[in-house]
Amino acid sequence: QKEVEQNSGPLSVPEGAIASLNCTYSDRVSQSFFWYRQYSGKSPELIMSIYSNGDKEDGRFTAQLNKASQYVSLLIRDSQPSDSATYLCAVNIYSGTYKYIFGTGTRLKVLA
Amino acid sequence: NAGVMQNPRHLVRRRGQEARLRCSPMKGHSHVYWYRQLPEEGLKFMVYLQKENIIDESGMPKERFSAEFPKEGPSILRIQQVVRGDSAAYFCASSPPSSSSYNEQFFGPGTRLTVL
Repeated sequence: QKEVEQNSGPLSVPEGAIASLNCTYSDRVSQSFFWYRQYSGKSPELIMSIYSNGDKEDGRFTAQLNKASQYVSLLIRDSQPSDSATYLCAVNIYSGTYKYIFGTGTRLKVLA
Repeated sequence: NAGVMQNPRHLVRRRGQEARLRCSPMKGHSHVYWYRQLPEEGLKFMVYLQKENIIDESGMPKERFSAEFPKEGPSILRIQQVVRGDSAAYFCASSPPSSSSYNEQFFGPGTRLTVL
């Protein structure tokens, strides 16, 4: 089983809709979870971090964490064509040192 | 520019040559991480360094790859005798000087290595 799993997509949503991106992880003791956005040919950009169960909102973005289900999601409200990118989920695991494990990313397409 | 700096942004090498990739962390950051990303694939951890120390190199190929972060100057990822399979984007990230699970990593623009 992969340590961090994401649906590769593409996930297509119409402009103005809510985009829901999901991520599951296998390490039960993970404590920190991150969402990065990566435009084609560019580097990953941190958009959200979440450490506690529940929801965390920042502008149009909401991260949701459920440690019991080992599940973290990212909701993007009022999706815009400029949100079209690949969204990477990262989980911080401890194996002697803290290390990020990235999912392969979900490609989001927002249709105008 | 207080962000993570990487150079060169693009590097072309012939098979058998050496590639040197440089990374300067954000101001105030002392932890550096190197990742490799192949086209249409995710980020793969390679190595984690602090000043003058390699903390975790579990993602580094056993041969031809090495990394350092000297007391002065940038971190360097060195690939000797490059092969076509080394063609990828190499990203550096940095985080603050604290070994915590809550540390956020910030990425540089990457170096795109092409091996002819």
